[in-house]
Amino acid sequence: AQSVTQLGSHVSVSEGALVLLRCNYSSSVPPYLFWYVQYPNQGLQLLLKYTTGATLVKGINGFEAEFKKSETSFHLTKPSAHMSDAAEYFCAVSVSGGYQKVTFGTGTKLQVIP
Amino acid sequence: KAGVTQTPRYLIKTRGQQVTLSCSPISGHRSVSWYQQTPGQGLQFLFEYFSETQRNKGNFPGRFSGRQFSNSRSEMNVSTLELGDSALYLCASSLGGGRDTQYFGPGTRLTVL
Repeated sequence: AQSVTQLGSHVSVSEGALVLLRCNYSSSVPPYLFWYVQYPNQGLQLLLKYTTGATLVKGINGFEAEFKKSETSFHLTKPSAHMSDAAEYFCAVSVSGGYQKVTFGTGTKLQVIP
Repeated sequence: KAGVTQTPRYLIKTRGQQVTLSCSPISGHRSVSWYQQTPGQGLQFLFEYFSETQRNKGNFPGRFSGRQFSNSRSEMNVSTLELGDSALYLCASSLGGGRDTQYFGPGTRLTVL
């Protein structure tokens, strides 16, 4: 079975500060990992995706995430927060092979303080 | 390409009624997944359809059902509505499902009174 845990349902950062959103996964087979963002009153939008290969994945809007197999983590970072980054972020996992469903974390709401 | 569309955007129903939600995927996408989003539970997977067949199913009661048509459009139905069914229902389409990137619609906000 696959699962994902997001640490911290709410995170606050100052504008210009580092953004770090934590995600740990559990999977018995090599995972595919995703970060999605949801702005108010909208659906989810893909930020970035890890499949295989390079463990540092760059996404849209300056976000990136690093796949660390030894730590079963896939934390999302951005060097400098912008007001427009305020949104809810979801980490998700899907196992490779077959057509398994995607399992989402419970989400982290990011607040950016001016 | 047009994005994923969901209709209606908002619905208000009373307990015991039934409701049908519609989702039109991105052209060429054959997989459609449905999720229930609530503040306390996050995104809960309902089911996935691929080429008119239900391929995966989440842990929801039988009151929740769905179907997919030959043009990949999908509907989900909830019968005998309960107060706890109030949620944002999201539809996502992808080329083949699973590890493929999902593209989400804006959702249907269902309120059960």
